[in-house]
Amino acid sequence: AQTVTQSQPEMSVQEAETVTLSCTYDTSESNYYLFWYKQPPSRQMILVIRQEAYKQQNATENRFSVNFQKAAKSFSLKISDSQLGDTAMYFCAFMKARLGNQFYFGTGTSLTVIP
Amino acid sequence: KAGVTQTPRYLIKTRGQQVTLSCSPISGHRSVSWYQQTPGQGLQFLFEYFSETQRNKGNFPGRFSGRQFSNSRSEMNVSTLELGDSALYLCASSNGIGAVGLGNTGELFFGEGSRLTVL
Repeated sequence: AQTVTQSQPEMSVQEAETVTLSCTYDTSESNYYLFWYKQPPSRQMILVIRQEAYKQQNATENRFSVNFQKAAKSFSLKISDSQLGDTAMYFCAFMKARLGNQFYFGTGTSLTVIP
Repeated sequence: KAGVTQTPRYLIKTRGQQVTLSCSPISGHRSVSWYQQTPGQGLQFLFEYFSETQRNKGNFPGRFSGRQFSNSRSEMNVSTLELGDSALYLCASSNGIGAVGLGNTGELFFGEGSRLTVL
């Protein structure tokens, strides 16, 4: 069975500062994909960043980057130059690299950016 | 391109009743997944449909069922509602063709959800 753990239910960061959200997962799969999704208040969930487990290079999308440690089964999200629009619930997710889209989500981290 | 549309957005039911939720995916997307979101539990996978066939199923009781139509629209049904079924039900669509990396980007596009309250 696959599990995804986000140990930080709530976090806050000052505008323009950097924050890191933690995520660990457990799986026996050798090939899989990891994602961070963002759910702004009362708005749709959207993809922030994706990482293929077979790639050693950490994914980066503008101000968002990940620190992927496969051996430690850790997948943290770093947000640089935090903006007010980053205030949202962030979910870490795991997907097996096989046919079908079955995601396993963590319980989420509520991030508040303070002006 | 229109996004994922879920109806109804809000509904209130009483225990024992049944409910049907609808999801229209992004045009061209053939995979539709359903998730239950509750505070503290995150998102729990219900099932995924692709080309009218259930391709994956989560660990929910048989009271939860779904189907997909030829135009890729999907419905989920919950029978004999319980208080614990109160949640935000999210639908997500994706191109879902093949395994990830072989035409399937793995990205899910979510709707705004249907918030169900069971009294």
